[in-house]
Amino acid sequence: DTAVSQTPKYLVTQMGNDKSIKCEQNLGHDTMYWYKQDSKKFLKIMFSYNNKELIINETVPNRFSPKSPDKAHLNLHINSLELGDSAVYFCASSHVTIQETQYFGPGTRLLVL
Amino acid sequence: QQQVKQSPQSLIVQKGGISIINCAYENTAFDYFPWYQQFPGKGPALLIAIRPDVSEKKEGRFTISFNKSAKQFSLHIMDSQPGDSATYFCAASKARGSTLGRLYFGRGTQLTVWP
Repeated sequence: DTAVSQTPKYLVTQMGNDKSIKCEQNLGHDTMYWYKQDSKKFLKIMFSYNNKELIINETVPNRFSPKSPDKAHLNLHINSLELGDSAVYFCASSHVTIQETQYFGPGTRLLVL
Repeated sequence: QQQVKQSPQSLIVQKGGISIINCAYENTAFDYFPWYQQFPGKGPALLIAIRPDVSEKKEGRFTISFNKSAKQFSLHIMDSQPGDSATYFCAASKARGSTLGRLYFGRGTQLTVWP
């Protein structure tokens, strides 16, 4: 069983389009995260949600909007895509209250043309 | 501002050698220091972690050395194998405060082990 899953795995789209990435975890964790990994492999946190409540919101353009319909899901919607949005986006989850391991999904490779 | 600084950026080691990756931090509130391993095309996965009440933690060929006074910690991979070739990230987090659970990652070290 996949612990943290993301869809789609690959996303190729034109500048200006709107797209969404979905994330689901079946670990029963209370916190979920979105990270952006650039071409130099740097992992940058974007958002985190604890029990559907936003707790971390880094300096991310407001074209990026996370949505957590329930504890097991955290989706990322991106409006008006730009070339610089091309990256790998990782979802992760953890039990924040016991400072435990973050489990990462397989990533979504976004290419904006 | 990078809260956790990691070096080197890349490392090439011969099979059987020792790989050493170093990290340094400034925030004394950090109290959990994990290392993540990432293979190409995959998400990062926890490799080993340490808390500051011990100076060393060993799991198989992987050892974390922790120096609280110097605010430094390092990953040692003994008898490095080609299968260890991956990107390694150090990280730090704190148990309390508004950023509870947030991991501050280093910039990563790309390790290549030659057969």
